[in-house]
Amino acid sequence: GIQVEQSPPDLILQEGANSTLRCNFSDSVNNLQWFHQNPWGQLINLFYIPSGTKQNGRLSATTVATERYSLLYISSSQTTDSGVYFCAVGQGGSEKLVFGKGTKLTVNP
Amino acid sequence: DGGITQSPKYLFRKEGQNVTLSCEQNLNHDAMYWYRQDPGQGLRLIYYSQIVNDFQKGDIAEGYSVSREKKESFPLTVTSAQKNPTAFYLCASSMIFQETQYFGPGTRLLVL
Repeated sequence: GIQVEQSPPDLILQEGANSTLRCNFSDSVNNLQWFHQNPWGQLINLFYIPSGTKQNGRLSATTVATERYSLLYISSSQTTDSGVYFCAVGQGGSEKLVFGKGTKLTVNP
Repeated sequence: DGGITQSPKYLFRKEGQNVTLSCEQNLNHDAMYWYRQDPGQGLRLIYYSQIVNDFQKGDIAEGYSVSREKKESFPLTVTSAQKNPTAFYLCASSMIFQETQYFGPGTRLLVL
């Protein structure tokens, strides 16, 4: 099955810093989503982005489907950005999203 | 407010016992999903349902069962056949199958 690798596994930042999280996948996809899981376990959908670029406030994401990767950019990070960021992908005709293991982000004040 | 609710927040299971986790949504979504999350890991799909009265097995369906009698509800039963049930269980829904998924707050299941 398709493999999803996220990097880095852990990231520690000072408040106000910028960061880039990466998601590599092993096969073509027609569905890619980024999620943020807060320290209490709640997952929030950040982007549905099988290709192209989207922005939402301080967050933006780019997926280059032909090169099998996606990037999540966080600018001017805040302590509330802490948590785990997951990338999940799906393939045409497939019934499931496959999740990566996540990047754990800690933003210190 | 529209959203997804899961109950209970914490659930304790005794050996040999079946337990049922509740998932309700008022988003009018057709598709619903159950995931399992183990510590430090990503999510794995247990079951999914694209429409009422229909559901399909995911990657790790053994030891679990579901029903989808109403559009709003997708309960998950963890049976005694599931030998390692301790995990965080997350329910999600989407308007169209595999489109943007929205998650409930989760249920933590512990074995006594």
